[in-house]
Amino acid sequence: TQLLEQSPQFLSIQEGENLTVYCNSSSVFSSLQWYRQEPGEGPVLLVTVVTGGEVKKLKRLTFQFGDARKDSSLHITAAQPGDTGLYLCAGYDDAGGTSYGKLTFGQGTILTVHP
Amino acid sequence: KAGVTQTPRYLIKTRGQQVTLSCSPISGHRSVSWYQQTPGQGLQFLFEYFSETQRNKGNFPGRFSGRQFSNSRSEMNVSTLELGDSALYLCASSFFGGENEKLFFGSGTQLSVL
Repeated sequence: TQLLEQSPQFLSIQEGENLTVYCNSSSVFSSLQWYRQEPGEGPVLLVTVVTGGEVKKLKRLTFQFGDARKDSSLHITAAQPGDTGLYLCAGYDDAGGTSYGKLTFGQGTILTVHP
Repeated sequence: KAGVTQTPRYLIKTRGQQVTLSCSPISGHRSVSWYQQTPGQGLQFLFEYFSETQRNKGNFPGRFSGRQFSNSRSEMNVSTLELGDSALYLCASSFFGGENEKLFFGSGTQLSVL
């Protein structure tokens, strides 16, 4: 079973600060996804990274996939209270295209941004 | 376009009972996956269905089962409920269940086992 270790588990910061969330594994993933989940709702996909070394930007969010496709990071610049939520990384095993809906999730990072 | 719909939203059951949860995917989506979310274990994959066939299964006991109908709607059943089955059960849909497809999650069914 492939595991994704996410850190930190909790992050409490002031509005305007920058932060980085890490997602690491000893296994190779064919792709990694980042989700944001708010209380009482299901996760919502933010981005998918597929190629080793890939960097994607979504407004103030920057996502990076490690060269060896074993790790990823999410960096938020100038965090705002609206960024508060549970951030989850998830990956499909490098199983030759037979993962069929089977994502492995990290434990998540609970981010709180104070005004 | 309507999102993924899960019913019921909340359920309270007692140990030993069984429960059935329902999931209606986004129109046109034929792949439905189910996940269990708990504070201790996080999100864990249960199973995935496509065209009424289970293609993938997670590491859960046989008390957890599911099925998919010809209209792609899916149900999951948990028999002989245990206290540890208390969790948020999420379903997600996509067109074909492919690895680079966007997965759309429902709001979940919060199950409490007393």
